[in-house]
Amino acid sequence: NAGVTQTPKFQVLKTGQSMTLQCAQDMNHNSMYWYRQDPGMGLRLIYYSASEGTTDKGEVPNGYNVSRLNKREFSLRLESAAPSQTSVYFCASSEGSRDEQFFGPGTRLTVL
Amino acid sequence: TQLLEQSPQFLSIQEGENLTVYCNSSSVFSSLQWYRQEPGEGPVLLVTVVTGGEVKKLKRLTFQFGDARKDSSLHITAAQTGDTGLYLCAGAGAGSYQLTFGKGTKLSVIP
Repeated sequence: NAGVTQTPKFQVLKTGQSMTLQCAQDMNHNSMYWYRQDPGMGLRLIYYSASEGTTDKGEVPNGYNVSRLNKREFSLRLESAAPSQTSVYFCASSEGSRDEQFFGPGTRLTVL
Repeated sequence: TQLLEQSPQFLSIQEGENLTVYCNSSSVFSSLQWYRQEPGEGPVLLVTVVTGGEVKKLKRLTFQFGDARKDSSLHITAAQTGDTGLYLCAGAGAGSYQLTFGKGTKLSVIP
């Protein structure tokens, strides 16, 4: 089992460009999450999907959109990247919304 | 909004020393999880505590959940260089569909 996989691992964008971060899990988990991690700020929830077919905003959703494509996949889209979105992005999944979360290896995004 | 405050933010100690990190809140949590994150990787769960006053041991790591379920501590005995990393606590609030993460304690164990 691969667990939670994320692509790409690294990405550099120019301001205004768009991109989609991909996430997939093979543990048949119901819930999936997108976080960003910045120095001194900890993990901040961007969006989550409690179950297939549902998505909800987290603490910092502005500038992002998500799609729960199926039970396995949860993508994060930046429509018009800004330097403030430079961060490390983590996808995670869990069986239920308050259970142990399994994290992917992260995507390191730089917006110039 | 439920907040989790972790202290200290940074900790640098010599190998063999003991240490304690804290996770505090004014809110009650139904459960609390501790994660460790190594550089360049995602966090990995160490333990979940559920009952007020609960103590769990994982080799040299001892986790305690406060009686009122508002705080928790992680004690490491005889720290090793392999303990180096970012320690995060995360709480599940009643009625919440998500975990609240603290900002973490960055531990460096020096040989």
